[in-house]
Amino acid sequence: DAGVIQSPRHEVTEMGQEVTLRCKPISGHDYLFWYRQTMMRGLELLIYFNNNVPIDDSGMPEDRFSAKMPNASFSTLKIQPSEPRDSAVYFCASQGESSGNTIYFGEGSWLTVV
Amino acid sequence: LAKTTQPISMDSYEGQEVNITCSHNNIATNDYITWYQQFPSQGPRFIIQGYKTKVTNEVASLFIPADRKSSTLSLPRVSLSDTAVYYCLVGGFLTGTASKLTFGTGTRLQVTL
Repeated sequence: DAGVIQSPRHEVTEMGQEVTLRCKPISGHDYLFWYRQTMMRGLELLIYFNNNVPIDDSGMPEDRFSAKMPNASFSTLKIQPSEPRDSAVYFCASQGESSGNTIYFGEGSWLTVV
Repeated sequence: LAKTTQPISMDSYEGQEVNITCSHNNIATNDYITWYQQFPSQGPRFIIQGYKTKVTNEVASLFIPADRKSSTLSLPRVSLSDTAVYYCLVGGFLTGTASKLTFGTGTRLQVTL
């Protein structure tokens, strides 16, 4: 399996622009997670889905952030409008019965908002 | 909430055994203990997972006492390539909420010659 695939790997955008991060989970996994990592706050769970349904979005920082999972093989995390404080690495991860309680992470999307 | 506490950093020489302990005093009955390794510019990578007693795989051992309020990751004979941040994660998906799936601050291991 190719693992969790994220795109883009790196993005630099101007403040106020819309940013869309994409994720393809491991096939067969029914949980999908979006994490954000910064030096100051470490790894934060933003939202997670089970069977394409958002279960808990209490970690989403504010209304500028939204996440969707239209099908089992694709999810997006959108920031609109983006702000410099959104600069971080955004990780997507997935987990399924085949992996037990293990979460598998993608390589991350490095976002810089200038 | 099964909050975890780990040392912020550790130093070791190459070839030594390294033990990193994680405290999780209010671990729930259904919670598993999982350790992840993260290199710069990469996502966290699964190392080992356990529920109780001892678990060993090709890269590490995990020791969990009977009360499960702590766990120790043991890395035998570390090399320079083991320099990374190590995270302890406590939780279980069958009973968990998002708050159980939060990583702690991690332990930054620096291995030198």
